[in-house]
This record gives sequence, C-alpha cells and structure tokens, in this order.
Amino acid sequence: GAVVSQHPSWVICKSGTSVKIECRSLDFQATTMFWYRQFPKQSLMLMATSNEGSKATYEQGVEKDKFLINHASLTLSTLTVTSAHPEDSSFYICSARSGGVLQPQHFGDGTRLSIL
Amino acid sequence: DQQVKQNSPSLSVQEGRISILNCDYTNSMFDYFLWYKKYPAEGPTFLISISSIKDKNEDGRFTVFLNKSAKHLSLHIVPSQPGDSAVYFCAASATVSLVNTPLVFGKGTRLSVIA
Repeated sequence: GAVVSQHPSWVICKSGTSVKIECRSLDFQATTMFWYRQFPKQSLMLMATSNEGSKATYEQGVEKDKFLINHASLTLSTLTVTSAHPEDSSFYICSARSGGVLQPQHFGDGTRLSIL
Repeated sequence: DQQVKQNSPSLSVQEGRISILNCDYTNSMFDYFLWYKKYPAEGPTFLISISSIKDKNEDGRFTVFLNKSAKHLSLHIVPSQPGDSAVYFCAASATVSLVNTPLVFGKGTRLSVIA
C-alpha cells in the first residue's frame, strides 16, 4: 500500500519551455502533498506544501510564479516549472500523506529535469 | 544551518552483522522522527518512525532508538543483508502546531552491506 506515482521520470527540454510534473497517490487519499528538490549529494529540500483544494504554501526562497503547484484532487498534485532555465535542472520529488502530521510521507520516484 | 545531521556519509558492514546509522538534530521542537531508505533512481521509502514519547520502536530487523536529551537517534539493522545496501535518510518534524509540519532531512548515509 501507500504507492505514490510520479510522472515523468525524466525530462529533457529546451530553455524557456514549461514542464509539468504529476504526482498521484494510487491507493490512498492524500490530504497533503509535498514537493521537494534535491541537488547532488544534498538532502531533500522542501519547496512547497499543498492541501487539496487550497493554495500551496511555499518555502522561503521558492518563487511561486516559477513553480506553480496545483492540488486539484485528493489523489493528484502537479508542479509546473514555468519558463525553465538551465539552473532549474534538478531532481524533483513529491510525497503524499494521508491523515495528520504523525502519518509518514510516502514518496514518488522523482523526476530528473534537464534544461538545455 | 543544518537542523538534521547525518555525519557519516557512508558505512560498510558485513552481511549478518549489525548496521548502526546515526542522526543528530538541533531543533528541540522536533518530536517526530522517521527513517527512509532510498535506492538509486527511486524515491525514498518509509522504513520506521518514532515519536518523542518513546525511546525505542522496533519493526522486524529495524529498530530506532531516540535519546532526547542528546538530541540523537539511531537506526539499527540486524542482521544486515546485501539488499539493505542503499542511502538512508533521517528526517524530523515538529508536530506541535498540528498543521502541515515539513520534514527536515539529513544528507543521508550510504550503507553498503558486503556479502
């Protein structure tokens, strides 16, 4: 149980393109979803937290107009990297949690984004 | 300033022996701790958690110990198996607000279990 699917797993695109990443909880309802970014040999850095049907809460330093998050249903959240540039190249990973704060987060397999 | 520290980037253990992965934290508000395991090209997989009202939680071969006064927790794997070879992340959160408390991750420790 507690499967989170993230798609696509790898994206290569030109600078200026917008890229959408999907995160789905397959066998549970995710009241809260999280988006992380990971740089090589670094820990996961939280970008934003979203609850179904409400606006995402962004961490300090994360541009909300750059990283658009939509959590339209209890099983789907999307992250859109708008007008991506090479510095946006990174590993993006989502997680989902059902219930309260003492429930673990379950992670997708991540998306490697490469902007040329 | 790193609030969750895993000071050993790597650890090698012989198959059948005990693996001990350590984690230190600085934020005294943290009261919920988790360990995740990550294979290459996959997302982290939840292993085991512990809340601050306990000092030990066991699940099969995995045991997490929490020393609140030292702000230290450890994950014990016994016996270690080659399939345990992965990167292990320690994570912590402060749940007191009962709202969306983010997880703060350490940088991970790469465990290699040698057959």
